[in-house]
Amino acid sequence: NAGVMQNPRHLVRRRGQEARLRCSPMKGHSHVYWYRQLPEEGLKFMVYLQKENIIDESGMPKERFSAEFPKEGPSILRIQQVVRGDSAAYFCASSPPYLDRYGYTFGSGTRLTVV
Amino acid sequence: EDQVTQSPEALRLQEGESSSLNCSYTVSGLRGLFWYRQDPGKGPEFLFTLYSAGEEKEKERLKATLTKKESFLHITAPKPEDSATYLCAVQAGSSNTGKLIFGQGTTLQVKP
Repeated sequence: NAGVMQNPRHLVRRRGQEARLRCSPMKGHSHVYWYRQLPEEGLKFMVYLQKENIIDESGMPKERFSAEFPKEGPSILRIQQVVRGDSAAYFCASSPPYLDRYGYTFGSGTRLTVV
Repeated sequence: EDQVTQSPEALRLQEGESSSLNCSYTVSGLRGLFWYRQDPGKGPEFLFTLYSAGEEKEKERLKATLTKKESFLHITAPKPEDSATYLCAVQAGSSNTGKLIFGQGTTLQVKP
């Protein structure tokens, strides 16, 4: 039973390019969460999605960032026109329909470096 | 504003030297408090969930406790493999979306 799969593990982009981060939730999990971990900072909530629905995007920057979780395929976090301040580790987590006693299951993250 | 503060930021222990990590929280109604362990270059790994004051959970050398304002993660006779960053997170009562608010973490180093 594979865990939460994120790819790529490392991503290097030049300023102004687009970054696409992928997340496949655990089998049986229908809820996906994206978090960002900046250097020397804690994990910050970005967005919560269910299949074909964005439930809570209160942590998403207003511009350049978008997320989707289509009916088929992985969840995608997209960052357009990346800037150096976007360099961070981006973690995806998944859970069943309720956040039960086992909390989320996190993936290993994608480390984005903007040069 | 919902907030989670962990202390200390960093902790160095000798193998076998027991200690506690603190997580103070201010939330509008607590739905759950979560402890995670994070190793360098990896995602957080779930340890415990606590729901109400007075609750305790144990796993090997770790024991988590909860009061109305804070949680402690007690580490008894730690080993070098316990070295990691320990994260505390809360789900606020106002959140029905599973959103967690994380503290900054405590980085623990256990020397042999």
